[in-house]
This record gives sequence, structure tokens and C-alpha cells, in this order.
Amino acid sequence: GQNIDQPTEMTATEGAIVQINCTYQTSGFNGLFWYQQHAGEAPTFLSYNVLDGLEEKGRFSSFLSRSKGYSYLLLKELQMKDSASYLCAVRDTGNTPLVFGKGTRLSVIA
Amino acid sequence: GAGVSQSPRYKVAKRGQDVALRCDPISGHVSLFWYQQALGQGPEFLTYFQNEAQLDKSGLPSDRFFAERPEGSVSTLKIQRTQQEDSAVYLCASSSRGLGREDTEAFFGQGTRLTVV
Repeated sequence: GQNIDQPTEMTATEGAIVQINCTYQTSGFNGLFWYQQHAGEAPTFLSYNVLDGLEEKGRFSSFLSRSKGYSYLLLKELQMKDSASYLCAVRDTGNTPLVFGKGTRLSVIA
Repeated sequence: GAGVSQSPRYKVAKRGQDVALRCDPISGHVSLFWYQQALGQGPEFLTYFQNEAQLDKSGLPSDRFFAERPEGSVSTLKIQRTQQEDSAVYLCASSSRGLGREDTEAFFGQGTRLTVV
């Protein structure tokens, strides 16, 4: 089967750093994606990892450990606009459908 | 258009009514996916097309759900005899097929919020 776990909710302070974890168990692996989704809007692509290690893109970084079935999304210098749901998704093989976790709802407070 | 377009944005249906949800993918994108997203949950896979071929429909919850993409571009998700549990946001996504990180990304539409009363 396929299982993706991430915390349901997190709260962090403006200007701080927050790490959102994701663990997965899938039959195959062809990449892990992080999407951001503001309430009532479409998920938008943040990052993609297929090899172990850290990928940095501005204030956002994503890490992958395939042997541990583990990823995290790191958000630095948090801004109020970062309040959103963050979705972890895994692609099993090829161009097959993404399997999503339930999402982590992040609230950034002043 | 530049992105994935879905219509209508909102649909209210009476229980038992049939509905049709439309998705216009990004031009040239080979793959098209339908997802169902309940409030506060992540998207759940429904079905997947590669061009006009429906390669995977394992996520469709019942035989009341039907999807088609006859010309390999626009897709329609049809729900017959709607039930209250069908209330959700229906998301469509498309992606191109090829090598490289960018080509594996799925682009989502804003979704259709279906409310069955």
C-alpha cells in the first residue's frame, strides 16, 4: 500500500524558521513533491526531490532521505503570507499520479 | 490559456442530480489527472489520462463517477445521481511527459467546489 504522513497543524512566528516533516511508504519511488495550497486555491508547486539531499530555493528548502522514507520542507524568514496548507506528495513510478498526504496547515502569527 | 482551467468554479446540485465538471489542461500536456479534495484533507486520486486513453481509474469511488477525454485535450468528469458524500472540491491537474525536473511537475487548476444539498 501507500502511506504518507505529515503533521496536521503547525504554528510558527513571523520571521522564524519552521520545518514540516513528511514520511512515506510507497511501493516505488520516482520523486517527492511539496505543494503549497492557500485556502480555496489550487495547489502550487514548491519543490521536487528525487535524489538524497537538500534542495534550496530562496526561503524554501526541501530535504530527502530515500533510505529513511523521509522528507522535510524548511521555510525561513516566515511571512504572514506563508500561512497555508503544505502538501507532501510522492510519485510512484514514471509519470503516474501523485499520492498526497493530508497536508499540514501552517499558521504564521505575529 | 496559460494555466489549467476548470469550470464551473462552484456547483450546487440537488441530491440525485447529474453533474458535469470540465477541465481544460495546459496546451500540449499529455497527462491529465482528476483529484477529489474534501475539506481539510489532501487531494485523493480519482483517475488519470494519457492523451485520450484512461490508464487508471482505480480511484473513482463508485460507478456513478465517469471521466472522459475523447480528443486528448479537454476532459469531463461526470457524476450521476449525486449524493451528499460527493460534496468536495474536484481538482484537475496536467503535466507534460519528458525528461527533467520541470517536466515531472503537475499543474493544478483552481478546482470545482461541488455542494450536494
